[in-house]
Amino acid sequence: DTAVSQTPKYLVTQMGNDKSIKCEQNLGHDTMYWYKQDSKKFLKIMFSYNNKELIINETVPNRFSPKSPDKAHLNLHINSLELGDSAVYFCASTPRGANTGELFFGEGSRLTVL
Amino acid sequence: QKEVEQNSGPLSVPEGAIASLNCTYSDRGSQSFFWYRQYSGKSPELIMFIYSNGDKEDGRFTAQLNKASQYVSLLIRDSQPSDSATYLCAVTLNQGGKLIFGQGTELSVKP
Repeated sequence: DTAVSQTPKYLVTQMGNDKSIKCEQNLGHDTMYWYKQDSKKFLKIMFSYNNKELIINETVPNRFSPKSPDKAHLNLHINSLELGDSAVYFCASTPRGANTGELFFGEGSRLTVL
Repeated sequence: QKEVEQNSGPLSVPEGAIASLNCTYSDRGSQSFFWYRQYSGKSPELIMFIYSNGDKEDGRFTAQLNKASQYVSLLIRDSQPSDSATYLCAVTLNQGGKLIFGQGTELSVKP
């Protein structure tokens, strides 16, 4: 059973297009995150939701819009894709009461913008 | 100054040796410290966490924390080729509780 699952695992698209990545966790966790990992392996937080409520919104272009329909799902929509958006996007979750550093990551979604 | 700094490596050690991975952080009020391991093409996985000054051991892994020096390290004893991966240091900021990652140290264990 996959604990944190992301789809799709790979996206290749042209500049200017819009794309979405979906994330689901079956761990019963309350908090979910989106992280971006660039080509130098630097992992940076983008957004965090706690039980559907946005709690962390880093300095991310407003072309990126997260959406959490329920506490088990966190999706990421990206408008007007740019070359610099190419990266691996990781969804993660953590249970209620746990230290926010104890993350369970999905397998990642590799986005390539041409 | 970066919030969390690591030497990017690669760090190469022979099989059976001790691998020492180091990390410094800038937020003096940070309380929680984590080590994640990331194999190539895979997602990060939590391997150790430490909250108090001193050493914490788990099998072949020892995390060391010195809050006065704002320094955290990970020692891997009896290194195995299967330990070859990128090791990410992460720190929870005092304000807001965000988890901030270092850029990772690539470890290569040679048979």
